[in-house]
Amino acid sequence: DAGVIQSPRHEVTEMGQEVTLRCKPISGHDYLFWYRQTMMQGLELLVYFNNKAVMDDSGMPKDRFSAKMPNASFSTLKIQPSEPRDSAVYFCASSPEGLSNQPQHFGDGTRLSIL
Amino acid sequence: AQTVTQSQPEMSVQEAETVTLSCTYDTSESDYYLFWYKQPPSRQMILVIRQEAYKQQNATENRFSVNFQKAAKSFSLKISDSQLGDAAMYFCAYRSNFGNEKLTFGTGTRLTIIP
Repeated sequence: DAGVIQSPRHEVTEMGQEVTLRCKPISGHDYLFWYRQTMMQGLELLVYFNNKAVMDDSGMPKDRFSAKMPNASFSTLKIQPSEPRDSAVYFCASSPEGLSNQPQHFGDGTRLSIL
Repeated sequence: AQTVTQSQPEMSVQEAETVTLSCTYDTSESDYYLFWYKQPPSRQMILVIRQEAYKQQNATENRFSVNFQKAAKSFSLKISDSQLGDAAMYFCAYRSNFGNEKLTFGTGTRLTIIP
């Protein structure tokens, strides 16, 4: 089975532009997570979904970030307007519902650079 | 809120030797899960090993094993017979078993393998 698929792998854009990151979870996984990794803050959760519903978005700056999951096989994370401090690696992860010991499977990440 | 601490920013070990990476965590919960993830230079996040808090037996996966001390809130990772491919950042992570599925990560330990 294919793993979590993220696109693009790299994104370079200018400050103020809209950025859209995409994620396709593993088929059958009900949980989808967006994490951000920076040198200063490490890995931190931005938002996660269960069965397409937002469960926790307390880590997401809501003035410029938005996350959606229109169907079970696709999610987007949008940043508008983007700022240099948004430069980071953004990971999407998914896991199945049921036993809580099931690990989260991560995509390869999107490296975002805001100039 | 739960916190995860990795006090060793960097570690190095001779190839074929054994190394132990430290992790401590803080929680008021009694039921939870702990994970070690590996992030090689390719930036993938790869699950190494997991431990359920209710299990007293330490988890093992081939050359990887943990020393789980629940009372001390300690969760160290031992890598035996270190190989060049083990070189990576290693992250300890916590997940509650009480509704919130998010992972809380430590700051990571960079492991270097000396040939």
